[in-house]
Amino acid sequence: QKEVEQNSGPLSVPEGAIASLNCTYSDRGSQSFFWYRQYSGKSPELIMFIYSNGDKEDGRFTAQLNKASQYVSLLIRDSQPSDSATYLCAVAGPPGGSYIPTFGRGTSLIVHP
Amino acid sequence: EAQVTQNPRYLITVTGKKLTVTCSQNMNHEYMSWYRQDPGLGLRQIYYSMNVEVTDKGDVPEGYKVSRKEKRNFPLILESPSPNQTSLYFCASRRTGKETQYFGPGTRLLVL
Repeated sequence: QKEVEQNSGPLSVPEGAIASLNCTYSDRGSQSFFWYRQYSGKSPELIMFIYSNGDKEDGRFTAQLNKASQYVSLLIRDSQPSDSATYLCAVAGPPGGSYIPTFGRGTSLIVHP
Repeated sequence: EAQVTQNPRYLITVTGKKLTVTCSQNMNHEYMSWYRQDPGLGLRQIYYSMNVEVTDKGDVPEGYKVSRKEKRNFPLILESPSPNQTSLYFCASRRTGKETQYFGPGTRLLVL
């Protein structure tokens, strides 16, 4: 059984701080890693994906992957109240192919002014 | 506008009464899938389709059927709904070889 674990939170950070969201996964064969954002009552939206060990930056977001430790994280710099949402981590097989992604249960982030 | 649409958005039904939730995308995506989202359990994939007439089971297919007769449509069929199928359902699509999966707005189903 493939598992993706996330702390459900809520993670509360002040506006302007760095929010750090973490995810661990059980399947060592996982090759694709995704972060989705889901606002309350809305559908998930992909914000980052990463395949290789190391960091990937996109604006205020940085995804970090450590395959040896089976660990993925998402850093949000200069957090804004509009970042308040649930963040879903997902892992899957080879990039671009057919896959059944396994989602974590999500971490609720609250950015307070 | 590129989008994934689902209908109905909200549905209350009774046990055993067959229902269909429609999903349509206008992006010519090959890959489509259905998920259910339950509190404490996260998103779980029900079925997926790599292209027309090609479907396969996800993690929780029991009690569901799908068909893919046209590229743009991927309906989810509950032949005999039961209360444990009360959930929030999402349809999603993506282009094969691309990472971005686009989700529909969701269908909230209550089975009494």
